Amino acid sequence: EAQVTQNPRYLITVTGKKLTVTCSQNMNHEYMSWYRQDPGLGLRQIYYSMNVEVTDKGDVPEGYKVSRKEKRNFPLILESPSPNQTSLYFCASVNIQTSGDLGNEQFFGPGTRLTVL
Amino acid sequence: AQSVTQLGSHVSVSEGALVLLRCNYSSSVPPYLFWYVQYPNQGLQLLLKYTTGATLVKGINGFEAEFKKSETSFHLTKPSAHMSDAAEYFCAVSDRRSSASKIIFGSGTRLSIRP
Repeated sequence: EAQVTQNPRYLITVTGKKLTVTCSQNMNHEYMSWYRQDPGLGLRQIYYSMNVEVTDKGDVPEGYKVSRKEKRNFPLILESPSPNQTSLYFCASVNIQTSGDLGNEQFFGPGTRLTVL
Repeated sequence: AQSVTQLGSHVSVSEGALVLLRCNYSSSVPPYLFWYVQYPNQGLQLLLKYTTGATLVKGINGFEAEFKKSETSFHLTKPSAHMSDAAEYFCAVSDRRSSASKIIFGSGTRLSIRP
């Protein structure tokens, strides 16, 4: 089954304690992205990756890091989480092929609800 | 720069009534346009998209949307609302240029259905 998986689904942590949210897709998609969803703000892009070893900042990258060492995995790292990073996080992937075309459907993971105390 | 505006953060309609969710975009060239739906405690799934060709696009669950270039709009409609349509709906745009790599979402519209 084609899918995007995220782990963990729920996480409560404390300020300053490093954490990683994993994301994996089994569709061989080139493009992967992380979003955060906050009430009234919709989804805002944190980081995206066009392919292996190619990552770039989205609209709200501060406080986050990513890596793309393999095509299927795109972990989100919070080196020193703060309460303002409490949010619902989604990973997504898109088949862009060689043209870089973003006209295809994004496949979303189930989300990770993060609470930073 | 591209942007998306969804008018109305919350829309409430009666079961069986017309559903109209509004989306306007700003882009220097006609973008790709999408509507996604998010059911409670779930991720987003694609309802429909416009890339090229016919401007009236039909999606899943009886929804459709019309791309109107002159109005820079891509409103989502459904003739008759069902209780199962209660969810949050997001309009999104992406640039046609291959050098661009952003997909921008609107702030979302929560649809409630009254019995």
